[in-house]
Amino acid sequence: NAGVTQTPKFRILKIGQSMTLQCAQDMNHNYMYWYRQDPGMGLKLIYYSVGAGITDKGEVPNGYNVSRSTTEDFPLRLELAAPSQTSVYFCASSYGGLADNTDTQYFGPGTRLTVL
Amino acid sequence: SQELEQSPQSLIVQEGKNLTINCTSSKTLYGLYWYKQKYGEGLIFLMMLQKGGEEKSHEKITAKLDEKKQQSSLHITASQPSHAGIYLCGAPYLSGTYKYIFGTGTRLKVLA
Repeated sequence: NAGVTQTPKFRILKIGQSMTLQCAQDMNHNYMYWYRQDPGMGLKLIYYSVGAGITDKGEVPNGYNVSRSTTEDFPLRLELAAPSQTSVYFCASSYGGLADNTDTQYFGPGTRLTVL
Repeated sequence: SQELEQSPQSLIVQEGKNLTINCTSSKTLYGLYWYKQKYGEGLIFLMMLQKGGEEKSHEKITAKLDEKKQQSSLHITASQPSHAGIYLCGAPYLSGTYKYIFGTGTRLKVLA
């Protein structure tokens, strides 16, 4: 198992550009999550998905979009990049819902994004 | 909104020393997770606590959840350079939802 994979590892964007951060998991997990981690801060949930075709907003969804057409993939789209989106982005997955308190999340290695 | 505060924010200890990291919630916790993040990498799950008064250990790391379920501590015994990294606590935002919050993290450095 590769676990949770993310691409790219690093990216520099200009203001106004768009890009898609890729995330894939091969553990047949139902739940997938996108977080951002700003320097000196904890992780904040951007979007999550409870299964293919179902997504919902987290704490900080503005400026992002997601889709979940398959169980394996959960891409995060930035349409008009802004300097405030400079951050490290982590994708995670879990088999069960965290509200069950019986499962944990598996994290990808992260994508470091800089918007200039 | 529910928040998780961690203390201290950073910690430098000599190898072999014991240390404790705290995670305090503004509301009752319905579960508390501890993670370790190595610099520049993703998070690695350490352990999960659910019940008030629960204590779990893995190798030299022990985590406890207090009876009131609003504070957890992570204790490392006889620290080693391999323990260095950022420790984060995380918790479901509210019982019955799939949202999740994290503490701001504690950066640990262990001097050899």
